[in-house]
Amino acid sequence: SQQGEEDPQALSIQEGENATMNCSYKTSINNLQWYRQNSGRGLVHLILIRSNEREKHSGRLRVTLDTSKKSSSLLITASRAADTASYFCATANTGGFKTIFGAGTRLFVKA
Amino acid sequence: DTGVSQDPRHKITKRGQNVTFRCDPISEHNRLYWYRQTLGQGPEFLTYFQNEAQLEKSRLLSDRFSAERPKGSFSTLEIQRTEQGDSAMYLCASSLEGVGSPLHFGNGTRLTVT
Repeated sequence: SQQGEEDPQALSIQEGENATMNCSYKTSINNLQWYRQNSGRGLVHLILIRSNEREKHSGRLRVTLDTSKKSSSLLITASRAADTASYFCATANTGGFKTIFGAGTRLFVKA
Repeated sequence: DTGVSQDPRHKITKRGQNVTFRCDPISEHNRLYWYRQTLGQGPEFLTYFQNEAQLEKSRLLSDRFSAERPKGSFSTLEIQRTEQGDSAMYLCASSLEGVGSPLHFGNGTRLTVT
């Protein structure tokens, strides 16, 4: 079963706008990761945030984590058409070896 | 290219046939994972290897599914007596040991059972 649930399921924005995706999870985690998937391809790791961190940045990506609410958000600033993809949050349990993915948010950035 | 490679990229088979997929992980990665992904869904965990040892199998992995990783290198996933419900993308990923090590995915094998 899926651990994380993303919201919204789909998001359509204009190039240059910011895109925010949310993820909720159910159990205690060691860390939370975000991945990107282009159509017909494998997933690519974007960023990892550990359970003792609250915010992390990487280029145009900003991730927050609220362990009290069991939720995370991914913000992509100044979006580009090339950001069009599906984005998944994934959690690793405290054992650490099994990574469970949510159903994903499909982002479409219009040029 | 030293990424994760999967073969074949596409497989069309008739119901009842057996199929086998291969995954070559990044050479220094000792962890290897198999996931299944259907349209519009996230990847679902199937099984996990630490070197050659298969440490966990999902309940999704029925008796018709078997995975091996001889000598801790490449891995194979075999599906016997395929059913239409097996149609999906089968993704392989590898990682270094360590909690939260990022998974490196291959581009998957798309299976269509007719």
